Amino acid sequence: AQTVTQSQPEMSVQEAETVTLSCTYDTSESDYYLFWYKQPPSRQMILVIRQEAYKQQNATENRFSVNFQKAAKSFSLKISDSQLGDAAMYFCAYRSAMGGSEKLVFGKGMKLTVNP
Amino acid sequence: EPEVTQTPSHQVTQMGQEVILRCVPISNHLYFYWYRQILGQKVEFLVSFYNNEISEKSEIFDDQFSVERPDGSNFTLKIRSTKLEDSAMYFCASLPDSLGNSPLHFGNGTRLTVT
Repeated sequence: AQTVTQSQPEMSVQEAETVTLSCTYDTSESDYYLFWYKQPPSRQMILVIRQEAYKQQNATENRFSVNFQKAAKSFSLKISDSQLGDAAMYFCAYRSAMGGSEKLVFGKGMKLTVNP
Repeated sequence: EPEVTQTPSHQVTQMGQEVILRCVPISNHLYFYWYRQILGQKVEFLVSFYNNEISEKSEIFDDQFSVERPDGSNFTLKIRSTKLEDSAMYFCASLPDSLGNSPLHFGNGTRLTVT
């Protein structure tokens, strides 16, 4: 079974600075998808960014980018120019590309605090 | 933009009671899910539903749980006899198709408190 590990339970960053959130996963599959979700205090799950394992190019979405290292099974999220609104729980998630299993497997999450 | 809606936002029930959590997925979506998140812990998969039947379920989803899509729009999760440990946030999610990079669209969740 696939597992997702987020080893840092909490991090903090100064407003306008850059922070990197780490995530590793374990799988025997070669094709899969990776996601970062944000959960603000409202508890809604919001997609931040996604990455297809077959793509070598790292995904970027405005201030958010990933460093995807397939051989190391690592998928870190970089937040540039951090804003107060980035404060939230961040979850890394894995989905198999094999048919019949579209479920997401989540890591335990990491709480990000942004200091003004 | 269409959203997944969940009702109620907060449900309090007594241990042993039945509870039904309701969700209206996005209308053209085909895959439906329930996840739960015990306070301070990770989000856990409960069940997926496609073509009017369960396609996958986790060990958590035992005989006390059931899902239904009674009328083509609502998607419900029923817990027959609630236990204290069922207290959690329950998230409904939907997916338009089986393409892997399509993101799950989550509802805002229902906080279930079992007393």
